Amino acid sequence: EADIYQTPRYLVIGTGKKITLECSQTMGHDKMYWYQQDPGMELHLIHYSYGVNSTEKGDLSSESTVSRIRTEHFPLTLESARPSHTSQYLCASSESAFTGELFFGEGSRLTVL
Amino acid sequence: QKEVEQNSGPLSVPEGAIASLNCTYSDRGSQSFFWYRQYSGKSPELIMFIYSNGDKEDGRFTAQLNKASQYVSLLIRDSQPSDSATYLCAVTKAAGNKLTFGGGTRVLVKP
Repeated sequence: EADIYQTPRYLVIGTGKKITLECSQTMGHDKMYWYQQDPGMELHLIHYSYGVNSTEKGDLSSESTVSRIRTEHFPLTLESARPSHTSQYLCASSESAFTGELFFGEGSRLTVL
Repeated sequence: QKEVEQNSGPLSVPEGAIASLNCTYSDRGSQSFFWYRQYSGKSPELIMFIYSNGDKEDGRFTAQLNKASQYVSLLIRDSQPSDSATYLCAVTKAAGNKLTFGGGTRVLVKP
């Protein structure tokens, strides 16, 4: 069982609020990822990190930002949430020697009113 | 054109039958190919990977890869109701550390 945790699992907030989605893993993985997935739709990579102080934007443009100050922690922040940000956000990690196996957290479902 | 394409389904199969899922990809430089399973409301989990042309079997699952035709498929033999899920095809490029996912095929196995 993968040891990767996301909080909050569910969040309902108003437009304009700042939110941070937390993601932590205890596997010592260097590589971490944020995916966005709408119900019944594909996963889109929005951010990734190959290690501390390394972050890159993914294939889908996102207004969110990320940081990687510690290996185990990869939070995602939205400075001013909008209804268009309503989605499921999935955090994942993988081993340093990339095998294609991603370990996913349980996800954070964000609803912006 | 999407990088990874799958028929969204649903693919309805009777219990005990073979479910056949297909995936095509656009980038000829794609090197590694993966099948993830995602139950409704849950996160994806890896079930198979394949790197070389041909077939790879793991239990009731068989992955097939044809790089010349740019497709990868997944066969599920003796389908069980517990196999009902969305199956996501994913690929990586050469020396890549990122997965690109298809939209998934929803499979329904009816008792």
